[in-house]
Formats: sequence, C-alpha cells, structure tokens
Amino acid sequence: DAGVIQSPRHEVTEMGQEVTLRCKPISGHDYLFWYRQTMMRGLELLIYFNNNVPIDDSGMPEDRFSAKMPNASFSTLKIQPSEPRDSAVYFCASRPPGQHNYGYTFGSGTRLTVV
Amino acid sequence: KNQVEQSPQSLIILEGKNCTLQCNYTVSPFSNLRWYKQDTGRGPVSLTIMTFSENTKSNGRYTATLDADTKQSSLHITASQLSDSASYICVVSDTGSNYQLIWGAGTKLIIKP
Repeated sequence: DAGVIQSPRHEVTEMGQEVTLRCKPISGHDYLFWYRQTMMRGLELLIYFNNNVPIDDSGMPEDRFSAKMPNASFSTLKIQPSEPRDSAVYFCASRPPGQHNYGYTFGSGTRLTVV
Repeated sequence: KNQVEQSPQSLIILEGKNCTLQCNYTVSPFSNLRWYKQDTGRGPVSLTIMTFSENTKSNGRYTATLDADTKQSSLHITASQLSDSASYICVVSDTGSNYQLIWGAGTKLIIKP
C-alpha cells in the first residue's frame, strides 16, 4: 500500500491565484481529513469526510476555502483567491471504518507558499 | 475548554540517553490518547494509542503511560538514536459525536551525537 498520497509536495503561487491541493486516501479507508499546520497554530482540522460526504467543515477558515470528495479515492482542497496568510503545510489523512481507536495515516503534506 | 499541553517545548539530549516527554490534558469526556512522531517535512506517524483502561503501552523503544485520574501522559524514549530527532505530538480524542482530535503543540526533540 502506497499510503496516503498528496500532490503537489510544494506549491508556490502569487496572491490572488487559485490553488488546488489533491489527496488520494488509502483504499478502504472511509474517513478523510484535511489539516493545516503552521508554526503559530500547530495542526488544525479544516474539514473531514465520511463515505465521501463532508461531515464537519467548521474548521474551514473562510469562504475562500472549499473541499470536495467526488469519490472514495480522491479529494481536493481549493483556495480561491489565495492570500499570503494561507501559507502553511496542508496534510490529508485517512482512517479505516469503525477504527476510532486506531491511528490515522497522514500523507507527506503539501507545503504552500503564497507570495 | 478542551486543551492538550505538552512540556517541554524543546529538548536536546545526547545519543544513547533516555528522555521523558509530558502531556497534560483537560479533554472531557475522554476517549483515547495518542502519541505521534513527526519528522521534519513529513506527516505525523502514530506511535501509540491508549484508551481509558490502559495505563501503559510500548512500541519498541517508546513507552507511553496514561493516568486518566490526573489526566496526564508521558512518552519515554529509551536509548535514544539520531533518528529519534523529531517533534512528538500528544493528541487526545473525546467521545463526542465527531470524535474530534485535540492536538498538543508538540515537543521538539533533538538528539546530538
């Protein structure tokens, strides 16, 4: 199993541009989570899906952020328009069904820099 | 307010030495406590997960303890290696309907040769 796969690994974009981050969860995992990590705030949950349905998006900072999961093997996090304060590492994680007391598997993250 | 606090913020030790990292939490109701290791530039990797009824769990040279009465946990690393240099994050899950994870800020551990 290749684990949770995120792309791109690094993204540098200009303020105002649209940014799309991609995630492929582990096959068979029915929970998918998007996190953001910064030095100041640590890891923050942005949104999570269960069986492709968004369950809790209360962590999404503002309307500029949107996430979709069109099928069980793919999710996107989009920022439009991007701002310098969005610079962070964005992680995707997945979890097997009914495994609340087991570990989440994280991807390697996308380091986003907005200039 | 549900919180997870870790200490120390950072720690430098010599290779081969032991160390203990601390975690205090105020999460209620409590479901489980996890320790993650995060290498620089990588995603967090789960080391241990303990539920209310477990008070110790080991994973190789890593041993986690949990005192659910005092709401404290520790992660003990034995015979440290250079590859142990990383951030160690304590995470507590509640039993709310969303099973939210409450993340600590982490302890940055540096192992020097």
